[in-house]
Amino acid sequence: DIVMTQSPDSLAVSLGERATINCKSSQSVLNSSNNKNYLAWYQHKPGQPPRLLFYWASTRESGVPDRFSGSGSGTDFTLTISNLQAEDVAVYYCHHYYSIPPWTFGQGTKVEIK
Amino acid sequence: QVHLQGSGPGLVKASETLSLTCTVSTYSISSGSYWGWIRQPPGKGLEWIGSISHSGTTYYNPSLKSRVTISVDTSKNQFSLQLTSVTAADTAVYYCAKVGQWHSFDYWGQGTLVTVSS
Repeated sequence: DIVMTQSPDSLAVSLGERATINCKSSQSVLNSSNNKNYLAWYQHKPGQPPRLLFYWASTRESGVPDRFSGSGSGTDFTLTISNLQAEDVAVYYCHHYYSIPPWTFGQGTKVEIK
Repeated sequence: QVHLQGSGPGLVKASETLSLTCTVSTYSISSGSYWGWIRQPPGKGLEWIGSISHSGTTYYNPSLKSRVTISVDTSKNQFSLQLTSVTAADTAVYYCAKVGQWHSFDYWGQGTLVTVSS
């Protein structure tokens, strides 16, 4: 199984500052035949279902503010929230959907306001 | 927008079978795509359970495969989850979701809390 490890587990960032979340996979999730990274990012707020932010590691889902960005390739990925807003407080998960199941999630990173 | 609504008992006795149904509206399951179930135990992260296509092709999490069945009923625009021999470890919020770009989930239901009682 591919294990997804996020860092840090939590972080506190001041309003307007940048939050950076890392995600590392135990094996590459890059499909060399189509040059796509099978990696998604979700935002999860209490009492709500998760919300897809990015797929293919860096393709922003419709409606996601451009202060959110996804990057990385292979085994190392980053979700960046620039100009952090109060509504960005949530738990963020990376998720691989490469090759065969199980398609696993990272353990989550909790973002709070400092 | 695709709307998904999960339904089913919120309380299941240990050793019995958990059964949930997800009703999809504003989108025909027959049109294509895959449909999945994901759960979140209290205080823990997300776990993918399994997925099914409109034609019935299934993928299951190997850790649950022996206990899980996912089925689809295109006539009712629904798909369902059955999890047998449940224990307290199966207590979780269960989400149904639509697969967007393989196999990311672009639309989610609100989630159904299922508690396994002894």
